[in-house]
Amino acid sequence: AQSVTQPDIHITVSEGASLELRCNYSYGATPYLFWYVQSPGQGLQLLLKYFSGDTLVQGIKGFEAEFKRSQSSFNLRKPSVHWSDAAEYFCAVFSGSARQLTFGSGTQLTVLP
Amino acid sequence: ETGVTQSPTHLIKTRGQQVTLRCSSQSGHNTVSWYQQALGQGPQFIFQYYREEENGRGNFPPRFSGLQFPNYSSELNVNALELDDSALYLCASRQHGQMNTEAFFGQGTRLTVV
Repeated sequence: AQSVTQPDIHITVSEGASLELRCNYSYGATPYLFWYVQSPGQGLQLLLKYFSGDTLVQGIKGFEAEFKRSQSSFNLRKPSVHWSDAAEYFCAVFSGSARQLTFGSGTQLTVLP
Repeated sequence: ETGVTQSPTHLIKTRGQQVTLRCSSQSGHNTVSWYQQALGQGPQFIFQYYREEENGRGNFPPRFSGLQFPNYSSELNVNALELDDSALYLCASRQHGQMNTEAFFGQGTRLTVV
């Protein structure tokens, strides 16, 4: 069965600093990977996705993620964080056979002024 | 193009009662999935509907059931509510068969069981 691990429950960064959120997955086949963002009381918004091809994918709001098969990782990065980036971030893997997204437990991002 | 809409936004029920949550899929999407997100957790897959039939299910008991209608909208029904059913319930839609299509999520229904 597939699984996703987000080792960091909570990360605090200063506005303007760089950011990296970690994600490790377990999946038997080629993974379909996603990062979603959730603001308080809101649904999930897709930031970016990886299906195949270039292992560095660009998303919305200046985010990017790099797929590393050898490390089973799909870390999310942003060069310069804005106060509006404060939210919870979820990594997920899609299983076509199970027809489901499996999510990690999330990383809460706090941005200091 | 309309997004995924869910109703109601918030709901309070008593333990043992039954509840129905509703979801309208995004225009052009024929597959609907439901997820339960407990406080401080990631969303957990409940089930998926395609062509008005359940075609995928997570680790949830039978008292969680659903429907999909010809217009692709969907309902989630939960019988015999328990306190642990308190959560944000998220609906997601996508186009079936296109692996390159991501799921679009609604804003969710916050269910509180007292």
